[in-house]
Parts: sequence; C-alpha cells; structure tokens
Amino acid sequence: EVQLVESGGDLVQPGGSLRLSCAASGFTLSSQWMHWVRQAPGKGLVWVSAINHDGGYKSYADSVKGRFTVSRDNARNTLYLQMNSLRAEDTAIYFCVRGDWGSGYWGQGTLVTVSS
Amino acid sequence: ENVLTQSPGTLSLSPGDRATLSCRASQSVSSGDFLWFQQKPGQAPRLLIYGASNRATGIPDRFSGSGSGTDFTLTISRLEPEDFAVYYCQQYSSTPHTFGQGTKLEIK
Repeated sequence: EVQLVESGGDLVQPGGSLRLSCAASGFTLSSQWMHWVRQAPGKGLVWVSAINHDGGYKSYADSVKGRFTVSRDNARNTLYLQMNSLRAEDTAIYFCVRGDWGSGYWGQGTLVTVSS
Repeated sequence: ENVLTQSPGTLSLSPGDRATLSCRASQSVSSGDFLWFQQKPGQAPRLLIYGASNRATGIPDRFSGSGSGTDFTLTISRLEPEDFAVYYCQQYSSTPHTFGQGTKLEIK
C-alpha cells in the first residue's frame, strides 16, 4: 500500500526556518517525481515545488523561490522541504504528492503556522 | 502561468439533483494532464477524474468528466449526501501546475 506521511510542521516565528519531511512507503521513491502542495486555512490548493527522480531538477512557485529548497534522500525513501525566511502567508497545511498526479497519492499533510 | 477559473464559486443543490461544475483555463491544456479532485474538511484531496474524463479507482459512475483545450466540466449525475464538498480542477501541462480556486457544493 502506498503511503506518504508528512512531518515537521510546527509554530514558527516570522523569519524563522523549518524542515518538512515526507516518508514514502509502498513504492520505490527513486522511480517518481515528487511535489509539495500547500493549502492556507480556508483557502485553495497551491502547488509549491517539484523534484525529479534523482534531485537533478527542481522547480518552485514564484512565491517561495529563493526561500524554500526541495530535496530527497531516495535511500531513506524521504522527501524534504527546507523552508527559510518564513512569512505569515506561508501558514498552511503542506502536502506531499507523488509525481504521477493521475495516481492520486497524497499525504495527509502537516500544518505550518508562522506567527509571533 | 495557466490560470484555472472554476464556476460557480458555490453551488447549492439537493440530493438527487444533477451538478455541473466548470473549469476554464487561460491557456490550452492537454486533456491527459487535467484532473478533478474532491476535498472534504480535514482531509487531503481525493482524485476523482484523471485525463479529463477517466474515473479514478473506486469512484462511482455518477461522476463524469469531459472537455478539452480550455474548457472542462465535471458532472455528478445524481447527488448523494456524501458528495457535498469542495471540488478542484488542476492542470499539469505547464509549470507551475495550477489548481482552480474551487467550487463548494453545498446542500440546498
């Protein structure tokens, strides 16, 4: 059974940093692109970042470019999102999603709250 | 950026009614790269339709998708109580992979 389990969400002050993790199981992580998608409280879904199979290609939404870094450790079956210079508008649930969008595999999300 | 605009923003219907949800893209989308999701409070999005018209595994046949290019439609033929939720469209033909703003389907 495919599972994606996010962790690392927390309350952080503006300007702070946080690293999210997404543990993958039930499939070979190295065979898949992966994405991060976020959802602010009461708002819609927003794509944040993508990474290819081996981490050689990364893409970001303009709103996070230069502040967020996506990475992966295929040996540990884990995807990461390093978030720096956090802002109030980064407050959201962050979902990791398997790269073949049509398969529909999403994690349950982890909540990041940026507030003083 | 390919902006997806969903209409209506809110749809008020009764169980047993037919629901028609629209998603219009600002640029053409390959049908193979178009999805519909359902989301209920506190849950991750659930894939309903992939490739614009193919039901995902386990999705009842009252859900159907159609469309091409810039105009796509999700139809729910006879609403069941569990269908009242928020629905999102998404394209991944181009980066950023954009979502529509959502249509809330509420009980009338």
